Amino acid sequence: EAGVTQSPTHLIKTRGQQATLRCSPISGHTSVYWYQQALGLGLQFLLWYDEGEERNRGNFPPRFSGRQFPNYSSELNVNALELEDSALYLCASSSGTASETQYFGPGTRLLVL
Amino acid sequence: DQQVKQNSPSLSVQEGRISILNCDYTNSMFDYFLWYKKYPAEGPTFLISISSIKDKNEDGRFTVFLNKSAKHLSLHIVPSQPGDSAVYFCAASAPGNQFYFGTGTSLTVIP
Repeated sequence: EAGVTQSPTHLIKTRGQQATLRCSPISGHTSVYWYQQALGLGLQFLLWYDEGEERNRGNFPPRFSGRQFPNYSSELNVNALELEDSALYLCASSSGTASETQYFGPGTRLLVL
Repeated sequence: DQQVKQNSPSLSVQEGRISILNCDYTNSMFDYFLWYKKYPAEGPTFLISISSIKDKNEDGRFTVFLNKSAKHLSLHIVPSQPGDSAVYFCAASAPGNQFYFGTGTSLTVIP
């Protein structure tokens, strides 16, 4: 069974540009979570999507947004990129019930120059 | 505001000995706790979890202990093996399914 996949693996952008990161969950999982791991920091919760709707978001500005498609895959969009957005972005999926274990993808490393 | 804290950034243990990784949290509403293991260039993988109604959960060489009064949990690995060398993240779940992660502890098991 395929795990969580993310694309691209690496992304280089300049300040002010937009970045789009993609995630495909494990088959049968309806929830997708996005996390940011900046250098020296733990995983910071960004967004949670379930059944196509945004269920919760972390303490990030509105230029971090996303969506979930009917096939449960998801996109994370970061607008007006800033240097401090450089980080590893991890996507995780779960079956959607509360406290269900999340399975992580390998991440997308975003570098903002 | 870091609601889940792992105060030891690194830990070195001899092969065969016990590894103890610690985690503290501040939010008494957390009801589910997990440990993840992460190798370089890979996403975190789930290791073991515990519900707030329990104080211990064991899975093979891995045991997680929860002390709710102290808002503290720990992961014990016995015996430690070189393949256990990785970064370990502690995570806690709040109502609304939002997960909070610690900053990680890098474990090195010395052969």
